[in-house]
Amino acid sequence: DQQVKQNSPSLSVQEGRISILNCDYTNSMFDYFLWYKKYPAEGPTFLISISSIKDKNEDGRFTVFLNKSAKHLSLHIVPSQPGDSAVYFCAANYGGATNKLIFGTGTLLAVQP
Amino acid sequence: EAGVTQFPSHSVIEKGQTVTLRCDPISGHDNLYWYRRVMGKEIKFLLHFVKESKQDESGMPNNRFLAERTGGTYSTLKVQPAELEDSGVYFCASSPFGAGGYTFGSGTRLTVV
Repeated sequence: DQQVKQNSPSLSVQEGRISILNCDYTNSMFDYFLWYKKYPAEGPTFLISISSIKDKNEDGRFTVFLNKSAKHLSLHIVPSQPGDSAVYFCAANYGGATNKLIFGTGTLLAVQP
Repeated sequence: EAGVTQFPSHSVIEKGQTVTLRCDPISGHDNLYWYRRVMGKEIKFLLHFVKESKQDESGMPNNRFLAERTGGTYSTLKVQPAELEDSGVYFCASSPFGAGGYTFGSGTRLTVV
């Protein structure tokens, strides 16, 4: 039973445009959400996170939005750059960032020059 | 600061053989995690060490998998005997006690033939 779902396996956007990656979850006990970025042959690297008490967190070109009532979060990248091309994983956990993470299946983002 | 180191980076073994994966966490990180990603699926939690103690091993698939963390430093994950469904990328991650997100290693790609 998949508790964190990323229903879009891939997304293609033009350089300079906005990329929106979506993630849905089923477990209302999750209280911390993270996005990781993964290049081929590398491990996931932490990108941005949000606590369940917030609905938005911004870091430079990256913004994460959380809609608790819909159990949905999204990652916005503006403007998108070719170097952003990677697999993006949504993850969630129950209590603090040091506990185990429940990951989605990932979305492959391709930013076209 | 050196990152999380995993080796080997790749391993191809025959069904029924034994394989041992090693992870060297970032020095001083008490928390060490093992995860696995089977082709195209989510990254799944296997277990969590705090120093040398197993904090959570709820994700270990079966008793063919044995993880150890000697002296709270490096960790090994042994698969004995390996089965075809054990193929995937095994990631190790570490984090400091009570803080922040994980740092992942580059992973070990295990292929069982």
